[in-house]
This record gives sequence, C-alpha cells and structure tokens, in this order.
Amino acid sequence: QSALTQPRSVSGSPGQSVTISCTGTSSDVGGYNYVSWYQQQPGKAPKLMIYDVSQRPSGVPDRFSGSKSGNTGSLTISGLQAEDEADYYCCSYAGTYIVIFGGGTKLTVL
Amino acid sequence: EVQLLESGGSLVQPGGSLRLSCAASGFTFSSYAMSWVRQAPGKGLEWVSVISGYSDSTYYTDSVKGRVTISRDNSKNALYLQMNSLRAEDTAVYYCAKGGVASGRYIDHWGQGTLVTVSS
Repeated sequence: QSALTQPRSVSGSPGQSVTISCTGTSSDVGGYNYVSWYQQQPGKAPKLMIYDVSQRPSGVPDRFSGSKSGNTGSLTISGLQAEDEADYYCCSYAGTYIVIFGGGTKLTVL
Repeated sequence: EVQLLESGGSLVQPGGSLRLSCAASGFTFSSYAMSWVRQAPGKGLEWVSVISGYSDSTYYTDSVKGRVTISRDNSKNALYLQMNSLRAEDTAVYYCAKGGVASGRYIDHWGQGTLVTVSS
C-alpha cells in the first residue's frame, strides 16, 4: 500500500496549461481504469474533479481533463485560472474496495 | 443533496480510544461503500478504511490494522470508526467519504472532517 507518486509542486501562468502526473504500479494505476483526482483548497474538504481516468462530474469545468498511460495517470488543467490554485491529489483503485492516494501536488498560479 | 457530518473528534492521550461517527443523508446509504480518509496536519490524504454497503467486507490500511474497526448502521444512515491504542501519528483530520459507486473505486462526496489529536 505505497502512496502513488506525484510531483510536489507545479506552476503556470493564467491561461496556460499544466499537467500533473501520478505514477503507480501494475497493481493499482496500471491495473484498472479507475484513477480519480481531487482538488483541495486550504482548510476545505477535497472535491472530486475526475473519476474513472477521464470522466468529469457534473459542475466541473471542461478545462479539467484526465488520461492514463501504463502505470501513470495525468490531470491536465487548461486555461489556468487563479481559482485553480490548490492542492491536487490523485487516487487509484487497487482492488476489493481499496484505494490509494498520491502524495499531493501544490498548484501555483503565477 | 448528499450530506456527510462527522463528529467525535477530540484530544485524547496516547493509548486511548475514540469513536468517530458520520451521519449521512441525501442518498440511499446502503447502496454505497463508505470510507474514512485522514489528513495529518500539513500532510496529504491517506485512505484509512472502507466498508461495503451491507458490511460484508471491511478493509484497513496497514498502519491501523488491529487497532481500528469500521462499522455502519444502515437503519440509522450512520458510519463509525472505533479507534483504540491511539498513537501520536494518528493525529489528523478524519473525513467520512462516500463511494461514487458500490465498489467505492472513487469518492464523490466528503464530509467537512473531524479533528483527532493524540497527545499527552
């Protein structure tokens, strides 16, 4: 049950695109098309942004997109906005109800 | 509207016990796996435990196995986490979390969290 690997921080200017990677193993990310992404603003509970690799819940802007290749999932935020500044966590299903989170990535909008 | 309201967090001494509760509303509670996820101060999210809709399956992260028990009461739409032999490293905000589907392969709703502090 090792945490998934994410970069500690990423940054971008308003209007630009950024991609956050999430690397696991064949037992989690690579074994299932069940990667999810969460946004957490300071002092708030996490919010679901992407599920099942690339699905967006109702209300999440289409600027947020997800993908997966092998053991690595990715979250791309296009047209960066100031309100996107937050911590982002990936999560992967690892079988029989178990999920594993990544260490988190701090997104700074310059 | 889905609502998850945690309670029970407090300051407890090392070796002590605590029972967290989560009151759920706005969805068919028994149809979804429910989880507890914690976040230590300044740290990332850590999945702690999950229970299936009808309590037939429960799982725990290695660091809490043998010390923590997850349970649910579908008649009360309530989720619980009994924590024993608490350690300083259990200090965290504990979130009640609803699975997006029956298997709980992602979390679609989170409570506001309840703070557990383990300190003498």
